[in-house]
Amino acid sequence: NAGVTQTPKFRILKIGQSMTLQCTQDMNHNYMYWYRQDPGMGLKLIYYSVGAGITDKGEVPNGYNVSRSTTEDFPLRLELAAPSQTSVYFCAIQGDPVEAFFGQGTRLTVV
Amino acid sequence: ELKVEQNPLFLSMQEGKNYTIYCNYSTTSDRLYWYRQDPGKSLESLFVLLSNGAVKQEGRLMASLDTKARLSTLHITAAVHDLSATYFCAVDMENKLVFGAGTILRVKS
Repeated sequence: NAGVTQTPKFRILKIGQSMTLQCTQDMNHNYMYWYRQDPGMGLKLIYYSVGAGITDKGEVPNGYNVSRSTTEDFPLRLELAAPSQTSVYFCAIQGDPVEAFFGQGTRLTVV
Repeated sequence: ELKVEQNPLFLSMQEGKNYTIYCNYSTTSDRLYWYRQDPGKSLESLFVLLSNGAVKQEGRLMASLDTKARLSTLHITAAVHDLSATYFCAVDMENKLVFGAGTILRVKS
């Protein structure tokens, strides 16, 4: 989607491995989010940020960490991958007006 | 805690028929969003509803918001196959979106 780039698109991890999901935006929006979507379900908020240097937990933060050193980037870190983290991860941005835009998603499988 | 409920969760429609998807939410909010998701794809924004009584229409889809009833509807008029997808409503709670579980729509010819 326009303005939000996620990498990688697909990844298979072994239990206990770590990885970082990248999210970059070029729309200069302050608000950035990480959601996960489990099969057949809606999206659940993992972490969010209201601006550079400010992050906060969402509904399902356990097992994840984030940082926001710049307006453009909002990486999501998985330290010790577990099968329960198998999901599709979406990064989103929200500006003014309040419409939210989503990246293309990262499909993660933990085996 | 804000809860968002959509119904139905699955909807099989005949082409040409009309139907409505409902989105109920549990706490006060005056911002509601509707998204469409095709299989294996990201979410596409359909409507942004920002006030009580807001109504928006795009093609065969029309969305409305009643903040007093904490209810939004997505009405489908004369369904066509191309509308087959999963539709999500999401409610804004302090600049964080809380999603419903989604409605899988299948339009049959």
